[in-house]
Amino acid sequence: GAVVSQHPSWVICKSGTSVKIECRSLDFQATTMFWYRQFPKQSLMLMATSNEGSKATYEQGVEKDKFLINHASLTLSTLTVTSAHPEDSSFYICSARDPLAGVSEQFFGPGTRLTVL
Amino acid sequence: RKEVEQDPGPFNVPEGATVAFNCTYSNSASQSFFWYRQDCRKEPKLLMSVYSSGNEDGRFTAQLNRASQYISLLIRDSKLSDSATYLCAVPGTYDSWGKFQFGAGTQVVVTP
Repeated sequence: GAVVSQHPSWVICKSGTSVKIECRSLDFQATTMFWYRQFPKQSLMLMATSNEGSKATYEQGVEKDKFLINHASLTLSTLTVTSAHPEDSSFYICSARDPLAGVSEQFFGPGTRLTVL
Repeated sequence: RKEVEQDPGPFNVPEGATVAFNCTYSNSASQSFFWYRQDCRKEPKLLMSVYSSGNEDGRFTAQLNRASQYISLLIRDSKLSDSATYLCAVPGTYDSWGKFQFGAGTQVVVTP
């Protein structure tokens, strides 16, 4: 299947700082990428849909000013957690659709584990 | 009611046994479904897709029951390496097209 990478794989930061997470599609072009968050023993919750060349669309309850998404190219989307607080500590996973692989199949990055002290 | 629901388990399964569990969905317009496997602290990996009545891949069989709006996953001859959380994913339709709704996952623990 298609390959999606994320960087960093884990990050520890102080409360109040901002953290940027990168999501890259390595062998295909992704016009749409998705950002999820997963708390321990819970399911993946979709945060936002990242659209290349346009604004991201956020799910209800997700603060767009806190979780900044930029999808500047067909292979890269970034999620910046601004002014992070301990409650933002979570597992952040991106996914991307390969238009050639199927209508709705998504491929996931390895995730980024964020710990805010 | 949640859009996608799963029995959280855990299902404790002796090695070599068969285990099956379901995932119910609320959107009757859904056409495709996916089972993902997620190991602890890792990303989900696609296990199987279900587009019609069912799909079989080796020891894994997925079935779709449209009338009752659920999909099932059956694992035969369980291996220790099958221990994981199995996530059901249902793509959205209409204005949610392309988005996935995930169940909370079913934990399977295969014991020696």
